[in-house]
Amino acid sequence: DAGVTQSPTHLIKTRGQHVTLRCSPISGHKSVSWYQQVLGQGPQFIFQYYEKEERGRGNFPDRFSARQFPNYSSELNVNALLLGDSALYLCASSGQAGGYNEQFFGPGTRLTVL
Amino acid sequence: AQSVTQLGSHVSVSEGALVLLRCNYSSSVPPYLFWYVQYPNQGLQLLLKYTTGATLVKGINGFEAEFKKSETSFHLTKPSAHMSDAAEYFCAVSDSVNDMRFGAGTRLTVKP
Repeated sequence: DAGVTQSPTHLIKTRGQHVTLRCSPISGHKSVSWYQQVLGQGPQFIFQYYEKEERGRGNFPDRFSARQFPNYSSELNVNALLLGDSALYLCASSGQAGGYNEQFFGPGTRLTVL
Repeated sequence: AQSVTQLGSHVSVSEGALVLLRCNYSSSVPPYLFWYVQYPNQGLQLLLKYTTGATLVKGINGFEAEFKKSETSFHLTKPSAHMSDAAEYFCAVSDSVNDMRFGAGTRLTVKP
């Protein structure tokens, strides 16, 4: 069975640009979470979506937004990119919402902002 | 608010030696605790998790962790390190809601 997939694998943008990252969860999973992992640090929670509704939001500015589609795939959008947005963006899926559920992580999208 | 502190950003052991990675948590409600491993250029893989019940949790690849409420700890151990265990390890805490908080990670090096 396919795991969580993310696209693109790598991305280079310049300051002020916009970026869209995509995630496809494991088949049957209805919850998708997004994390930002800056080099040398642990992942930081950005968003969780369950059944197409936002269920949680981390401490990130409004430049970050996300949505979940009827097929449970998800997009993370970041506007007005800053150098500090350079990071590995991880998507994770789980069968249900709720903190006790195991999250399955994709390989991530490496974003570099120049 | 929940948080996790991983003691030691780098741990080095010899092959065959005991692995001990330390994790302390802070949570105002009963926590759910996780250990994840990350190999270079890959996503995170779950090693083990504690939700309720038995406080000694066994995971994949011979790892285990013990939930100690009195010490607010969830340390990860493995009796005998293998070269393939070299990776970054993350402890994480969650509650009944949805927000998972990760520690800063511990890089494990295994020397031959």
